Amino acid sequence: AQSVAQPEDQVNVAEGNPLTVKCTYSVSGNPYLFWYVQYPNRGLQFLLKYITGDNLVKGSYGFEAEFNKSQTSFHLKKPSALVSDSALYFCAVRALPFKAAGNKLTFGGGTRVLVKP
Amino acid sequence: DGGITQSPKYLFRKEGQNVTLSCEQNLNHDAMYWYRQDPGQGLRLIYYSQIVNDFQKGDIAEGYSVSREKKESFPLTVTSAQKNPTAFYLCASSIDVPGPGEAFFGQGTRLTVV
Repeated sequence: AQSVAQPEDQVNVAEGNPLTVKCTYSVSGNPYLFWYVQYPNRGLQFLLKYITGDNLVKGSYGFEAEFNKSQTSFHLKKPSALVSDSALYFCAVRALPFKAAGNKLTFGGGTRVLVKP
Repeated sequence: DGGITQSPKYLFRKEGQNVTLSCEQNLNHDAMYWYRQDPGQGLRLIYYSQIVNDFQKGDIAEGYSVSREKKESFPLTVTSAQKNPTAFYLCASSIDVPGPGEAFFGQGTRLTVV
C-alpha cells in the first residue's frame, strides 16, 4: 500500500523568510509525486510534479521541490514566502505502473502554512 | 474553457435520503476520482475510475456509489448507509497517457445533513 506523510500540521514563517513544507512517501516501485495548494472552500490547485529526471523541480508561484530517493522525501520549498502563500498544502503520490489495478492517487494529511507580515 | 465542474456547491440532506453529487469534465481525461475532506483533515479517496464503465473502491467507499457511463461524467451518490456524510467532497480528473499527469480538481460540494 502506498502512503504519504506530512509530519507538520502547521508551519509558521515570517514574510520574506524561506518556507519549507515536508513530505515523505512510501510506495512500491518508482513514484510520481505532486504538490497541491488549497485555499478556503476551494478545490486543490496543482503546484508542481516529479516524474523523472532532475531531482529539483520548479513549479508555479516560485515554489520548488526536491526529490530525494534515498530518504523517500519530496519537500516543498520557497526561498521568500509571501503572506498570500498562507494556505493548506498537500503532497500526493502515484506509483508505477499507473494502469495497474488498484493504482490510485494518495494524499498526505496536509500542512497549513501561515505567513505573517 | 476546459475544466471540471461540480454541482451543486452546497447541498443539504435529510436523514435517510440519498443524494447525488455531479462531476463533469471537458478535459478528455481518462481517470476520475472522488475524495472526501473533513474539517482540518486531508483527502480520503472514496472511488476512482480509470476508464468508462469501470471503477474501483477507494479507502472509504462504504455508503457511497458511483457510475461511469460517459467519459466526461462521474456522479457520486451518498446513500442513507453513509452514517456521517457531512463533509466537503472533491472531484478530480487526470490524464494517464503518455504518463500520469497532475490531477485537476473541481471547486467542491459541501454536503450538510440537516
